Amino acid sequence: AQSVTQLGSHVSVSEGALVLLRCNYSSSVPPYLFWYVQYPNQGLQLLLKYTTGATLVKGINGFEAEFKKSETSFHLTKPSAHMSDAAEYFCAVSPEDSSYKLIFGSGTRLLVRP
Amino acid sequence: EADIYQTPRYLVIGTGKKITLECSQTMGHDKMYWYQQDPGMELHLIHYSYGVNSTEKGDLSSESTVSRIRTEHFPLTLESARPSHTSQYLCASSEVAGGHGGELFFGEGSRLTVL
Repeated sequence: AQSVTQLGSHVSVSEGALVLLRCNYSSSVPPYLFWYVQYPNQGLQLLLKYTTGATLVKGINGFEAEFKKSETSFHLTKPSAHMSDAAEYFCAVSPEDSSYKLIFGSGTRLLVRP
Repeated sequence: EADIYQTPRYLVIGTGKKITLECSQTMGHDKMYWYQQDPGMELHLIHYSYGVNSTEKGDLSSESTVSRIRTEHFPLTLESARPSHTSQYLCASSEVAGGHGGELFFGEGSRLTVL
């Protein structure tokens, strides 16, 4: 069955440092891939998504992610962390059976130290 | 900004009570979803609707029920709440299904505590 693995339930970086949040998926077909962000006491909102075309996807707030089919990965990066980036980040992937559902990872909480 | 609203945001009730979590969206989306979110766990889909009078159960077994009588409204009901139902419930909607590449718009969630 399709699955999504987010390595590290918590990631801590200093303000201004590189942010790298890891996401790997299991799929035998090219999926749709998403990153959602959840700020405290709010719902999830879309950061970026990959459907087809360019494998480097740019999103909001300076985030980007690269689809690497050979590594079945879709890691999220940002060159310089800001305090406002502190939130929980969820990777999601479309299922192999092309159904309507999205499969979410368990989330990574990003902490940004001053 | 997404126009999808959930009420109540927080609810503490006793075992055996009937509760309804409300979800409304003003975007005219056909697809609506209920997810259950627990700390450190994946979001689990518990109900899905692809239009008026259509509902399906999701991957996670749930004792809750839903209805979709109007496009904009997708309430979730628990007939008899138990402590195991304590969780955060997230409602979402989309024009295109998430599994087909569509963006989901989420409400702020309803945090339910059953004593």
